[in-house]
Amino acid sequence: DIQMTQSPSTLSASVGDRVTITCRASQHFGSWLAWYQQKPGKAPKLLIYKASNLENGVPSRFSGSGSGTDFTLTISSLQPDDFATYYCQQYDSYPWTFGQGTKVEIK
Amino acid sequence: QVTLKESGPVLVKPTEILTLTCNVSGFSLDDARVGVSWVRQPPGKALEWLAHIFWKDEKSYSPSLEGRLTISKDISKSQVVLSMTNVDPVDTATYYCVRTTHDSPDFWGQGTLVTVSS
Repeated sequence: DIQMTQSPSTLSASVGDRVTITCRASQHFGSWLAWYQQKPGKAPKLLIYKASNLENGVPSRFSGSGSGTDFTLTISSLQPDDFATYYCQQYDSYPWTFGQGTKVEIK
Repeated sequence: QVTLKESGPVLVKPTEILTLTCNVSGFSLDDARVGVSWVRQPPGKALEWLAHIFWKDEKSYSPSLEGRLTISKDISKSQVVLSMTNVDPVDTATYYCVRTTHDSPDFWGQGTLVTVSS
């Protein structure tokens, strides 16, 4: 199985900050990586697919990058609606695996 | 408009069989471009992938749960069904069904919370 390790687990930031979340895989794989945003009591929402592709309707302040084993989600200017938990997921090979999540909190 | 909606029991007793249904609309389960996965999330914890069914009816299961899971689909009813045998309190979670395309898992259902307790 490919293990996905996200960091940090919790991030305190202010509105307007640039925020970076990283996801490291236990083994090299292609670009089949997704990033999700999840708010309490809601289903995850797809933000980024294939590592760097912005899902339709997602604000352009979100971006993804990386390949191989190291991937990054960046929020260029944090907005009030962005305080949530973020997950990465590899869907390169079964079993699909998720990171443990990064909670973005208000500083 | 693509939608997925999970349904099933709210409460299940330990050792019983849990059966969950995902009703889909806005796409067909015999479309070669799509498949459906089940993912769960215990309260306050991370997401866990469980199983996937491909358009050709091939299936893939989480190794840690294989043997307890069965995924199937009924194209005419636009339903994907997940069964889990011998449930335990650790199986308490919100269960989601997720549409996947060639590019990504893109649409998620709203989820259904299942509690395993005697």
